[in-house]
Amino acid sequence: DVKVTQSSRYLVKRTGEKVFLECVQDMDHENMFWYRQDPGLGLRLIYFSYDVKMKEKGDIPEGYSVSREKKERFSLILESASTNQTSMYLCASRARALMNTEAFFGQGTRLTVV
Amino acid sequence: DQQVKQNSPSLSVQEGRISILNCDYTNSMFDYFLWYKKYPAEGPTFLISISSIKDKNEDGRFTVFLNKSAKHLSLHIVPSQPGDSAVYFCAAVSAGSSASKIIFGSGTRLSIRP
Repeated sequence: DVKVTQSSRYLVKRTGEKVFLECVQDMDHENMFWYRQDPGLGLRLIYFSYDVKMKEKGDIPEGYSVSREKKERFSLILESASTNQTSMYLCASRARALMNTEAFFGQGTRLTVV
Repeated sequence: DQQVKQNSPSLSVQEGRISILNCDYTNSMFDYFLWYKKYPAEGPTFLISISSIKDKNEDGRFTVFLNKSAKHLSLHIVPSQPGDSAVYFCAAVSAGSSASKIIFGSGTRLSIRP
């Protein structure tokens, strides 16, 4: 059974804190993604990684960074959390992009910045 | 500029009838399309996909149609059931490189009424 696991379901952080969101997949997938979901805006891509230590910016990378030191783990970092980063964060993984395959999502992390 | 658009934020359908969800895209380089279903406080789950070399793909109650000339795809659910009430996201991929992004639309909230 394929699995993408996000470290927390719910998080509450203070403005200015450094926040780490962790994601682990057990499918040996090359590609991993971080999205945020906001009402009326759908899923917006923050960053993605196509290999260990490789990353590319998505559509809304400002205020975020990522780390992929191992194939199975992809971390999203909020350098200095702000209230406009309150959102649902979703991690996904997918087999190498040359194959027509779907992405698998984690259960999501609801982050509230106060 | 949105590359994948779902212009209907919500749709209400009577149980047993057909639900039709629509999606438009602008990038002719997309060659693989996916539909996801999302319940509140859960990650999206994959429903059905279609390659750009096809115009129809069917899986049980779900059928996806692709009109490349119009850059339009639709998801048909027949018959609609109460458990189909969820947010549906259309997504697109251009599989030409190992660093392909998955671009999502803004979603359509489907409500199945008794």
